[in-house]
Amino acid sequence: KNQVEQSPQSLIILEGKNCTLQCNYTVSPFSNLRWYKQDTGRGPVSLTIMTFSENTKSNGRYTATLDADTKQSSLHITASQLSDSASYICVVSARGYSTLTFGKGTMLLVSP
Amino acid sequence: GAVVSQHPSRVICKSGTSVKIECRSLDFQATTMFWYRQFPKQSLMLMATSNEGSKATYEQGVEKDKFLINHASLTLSTLTVTSAHPEDSSFYICSARRARDHNEKLFFGSGTQLSVL
Repeated sequence: KNQVEQSPQSLIILEGKNCTLQCNYTVSPFSNLRWYKQDTGRGPVSLTIMTFSENTKSNGRYTATLDADTKQSSLHITASQLSDSASYICVVSARGYSTLTFGKGTMLLVSP
Repeated sequence: GAVVSQHPSRVICKSGTSVKIECRSLDFQATTMFWYRQFPKQSLMLMATSNEGSKATYEQGVEKDKFLINHASLTLSTLTVTSAHPEDSSFYICSARRARDHNEKLFFGSGTQLSVL
């Protein structure tokens, strides 16, 4: 069964600090992995999308890594801002299939 | 960037009424659209997948007669919650897929908060 597990479930950090969110998956055959940011009451917004051959991808202060061998991904947020407070969702796509497997997300709260 | 417009953003209705939610891809043709449901502090749960001009494929446990999906064009899909009940109150989100290269671009609408009284 395809699964995506995210950790931690929730996280509180001080403004300006860095943090790393984790995503482990069992989706096979792997196609790509996406990280989304979802503000409360809003739709998810894409941060990064990574394929099998990509190890790291950055989008501003967000850097995603992917280890396709261990089936792990991380999202690193640098110099956090209050506006980073949101749910971060890891989504994995299986090659040849139209559906995506969603993680339950990590709720990040950046405190002043 | 590609934009997916979802309307309404919030709706309050009486129990027993039907509610229609629209999802439009504004600047691209969406080969496939997805509908999700999200409860507070939970992840998105896929309800159904629809391809333009064909019947939607519903996930297990989702009543197709209650959640009617119409994907009449490459830019518009609608979800109708029929005979809504309080337990249908939830956050509904659509997404549209634009096939490009090997990685299918997926764009989300801003969501619809449905409250059934």
